[in-house]
Amino acid sequence: KAGVTQTPRYLIKTRGQQVTLSCSPISGHRSVSWYQQTPGQGLQFLFEYFSETQRNKGNFPGRFSGRQFSNSRSEMNVSTLELGDSALYLCASSLRSSSGGGETQYFGPGTRLLVL
Amino acid sequence: AQSVTQLDSHVSVSEGTPVLLRCNYSSSYSPSLFWYVQHPNKGLQLLLKYTSAATLVKGINGFEAEFKKSETSFHLTKPSAHMSDAAEYFCVVSQGMAGNNRKLIWGLGTSLAVNP
Repeated sequence: KAGVTQTPRYLIKTRGQQVTLSCSPISGHRSVSWYQQTPGQGLQFLFEYFSETQRNKGNFPGRFSGRQFSNSRSEMNVSTLELGDSALYLCASSLRSSSGGGETQYFGPGTRLLVL
Repeated sequence: AQSVTQLDSHVSVSEGTPVLLRCNYSSSYSPSLFWYVQHPNKGLQLLLKYTSAATLVKGINGFEAEFKKSETSFHLTKPSAHMSDAAEYFCVVSQGMAGNNRKLIWGLGTSLAVNP
């Protein structure tokens, strides 16, 4: 079974631009969660989508948004990029919603975003 | 508020010696607890998880962790370190009431170095 894939793997943008990241979950998984990983803050939860609906949301500004398609693939969008948005963005998939607390998540390799 | 603290940001051991990575948590509800490992340039991988079953949890690659409610700890151990164990380790606790809308709170990570 193929794992979680994320595209692109690396991205360089400038302040004020927007960016869209893509995540394809493991086949059969209906939940996709997004995380931001930075050296100082560790992993921070952005949001979770399950069956095309946002199930859970972290404490990020509205510039961060996402969506999920009927095939469970998910996209994350960041508008009006700031220098502080430079990070590794990780996507994780699971069979059921991770909002239940005990679900195992499977992570992709991440997209490394650099904002100049 | 729920939180998780990894007590050591860096741990260095010699190959063949025991590994101890410490994690304390706070949670108002029965928590689910996880340990994930992140090797350089690779995705996060689940090592083990505790979800209110046996308090001693065995994971992959010879790792195990013991849930101690009285000490609010979930330390990760391995009897004998291998060079391939060198990686970043994350302790994770679920936040919130059982059911929907639980969020995973991640520790800041412990970097494990294994010396020959």
